[in-house]
Amino acid sequence: AQKVTQAQTEISVVEKEDVTLDCVYETRDTTYYLFWYKQPPSGELVFLIRRNSFDEQNEISGRYSWNFQKSTSSFNFTITASQVVDSAVYFCALSEHYGQNFVFGPGTRLSVLP
Amino acid sequence: GAGVSQSPSNKVTEKGKDVELRCDPISGHTALYWYRQSLGQGLEFLIYFQGNSAPDKSGLPSDRFSAERTGGSVSTLTIQRTQQEDSAVYLCASSLANRGGETQYFGPGTRLLVL
Repeated sequence: AQKVTQAQTEISVVEKEDVTLDCVYETRDTTYYLFWYKQPPSGELVFLIRRNSFDEQNEISGRYSWNFQKSTSSFNFTITASQVVDSAVYFCALSEHYGQNFVFGPGTRLSVLP
Repeated sequence: GAGVSQSPSNKVTEKGKDVELRCDPISGHTALYWYRQSLGQGLEFLIYFQGNSAPDKSGLPSDRFSAERTGGSVSTLTIQRTQQEDSAVYLCASSLANRGGETQYFGPGTRLLVL
């Protein structure tokens, strides 16, 4: 069965600090996809990134970076030099290759204080 | 292009009344999903449509919940005899196809409050 765990319920940091959001997943499939979404206070989920299980290269997009490690079944998300606008709930999700549904983690609420 | 749209944005209803929530997916997207998000909680899968295939209703919490998708595009989620525990944000998402791993794009949600 597929499962996504985000152990950090809430994180608070001060602006300009770096912060890492953890995501650990479980799946029996060898082909699967991992996602991160951001849900700002406005409520709409915003797609951030999609990775497939065959691509373990880390990815960087501006202040955002993702570390995918199959050996530990983790897909962690780091925000460098955090800003107040990064305050949101962040969801990690898993989709199996032959599955139709996403499994979302419970989310991590990030508060960036000025 | 236009994203996923949902209406109404907010809905307040009285316990026992029926409500209909609407979702317009991104043009060309054949897969459509409904989720429920209770206050401060994660996303709960409700139902999934792919083209003209029979929907996956495995997430619907009770027989008071139903959904349809007309013409493979617009979808309506209906909640009959609403209860206070139905209060939540109902999110709709669409994706290009039903292949595993297709990115889901979300609408802004409908906030339902049952008094």
